[in-house]
Amino acid sequence: GAVVSQHPSRVICKSGTSVKIECRSLDFQATTMFWYRQFPKKSLMLMATSNEGSKATYEQGVEKDKFLINHASLTLSTLTVTSAHPEDSSFYICSALIHSGGNEQFFGPGTRLTVL
Amino acid sequence: DAKTTQPPSMDCAEGRAANLPCNHSTISGNEYVYWYRQIHSQGPQYIIHGLKNNETNEMASLIITEDRKSSTLILPHATLRDTAVYYCIVRRSSGTYKYIFGTGTRLKVLA
Repeated sequence: GAVVSQHPSRVICKSGTSVKIECRSLDFQATTMFWYRQFPKKSLMLMATSNEGSKATYEQGVEKDKFLINHASLTLSTLTVTSAHPEDSSFYICSALIHSGGNEQFFGPGTRLTVL
Repeated sequence: DAKTTQPPSMDCAEGRAANLPCNHSTISGNEYVYWYRQIHSQGPQYIIHGLKNNETNEMASLIITEDRKSSTLILPHATLRDTAVYYCIVRRSSGTYKYIFGTGTRLKVLA
């Protein structure tokens, strides 16, 4: 199946700093990627849709200035959590869409962000 | 996109079939049913999807009722490694391609 990677897998940062998370499609090109966040024992919540070469589309309630998304190439999307605070601590997961057959998404392994 | 309803948890004996139900009574004609699972602290893993016909792959079988208002994911011989949260998602075959995750079913396979 299609492989999606994320880097870093785990990051700890101080409050007020910015953190960048990378999402890469390793063996296919992805014009569309998605970013989710997941709190402990909760389901995944869609944050935004990342489209290569254009602005991301954010879900209602997600601050676009807080969570900057860049999709500069067909294999890379980045999520930057700006001025992170402890309440931003979460599990961030990306996925990439394959435009064929069922148009299913393939997910990365996730990034655990802890803000002190 | 249609909402789905799944039981919050299920247990299954190792080696037995695990049958996970999903209700999607408001599904429309162009919406597919997708199944994923999430093992603790990992990203969701794609299992299978279907539109109206039953589907089978190396991981599981998907049985969709004739009226398409519900479906069942079948793991034919559950192992301890199948312990995970299983998500049933309904989504159109075109448009935004967004997934809206419900609460899923926490399957525990017992030795």
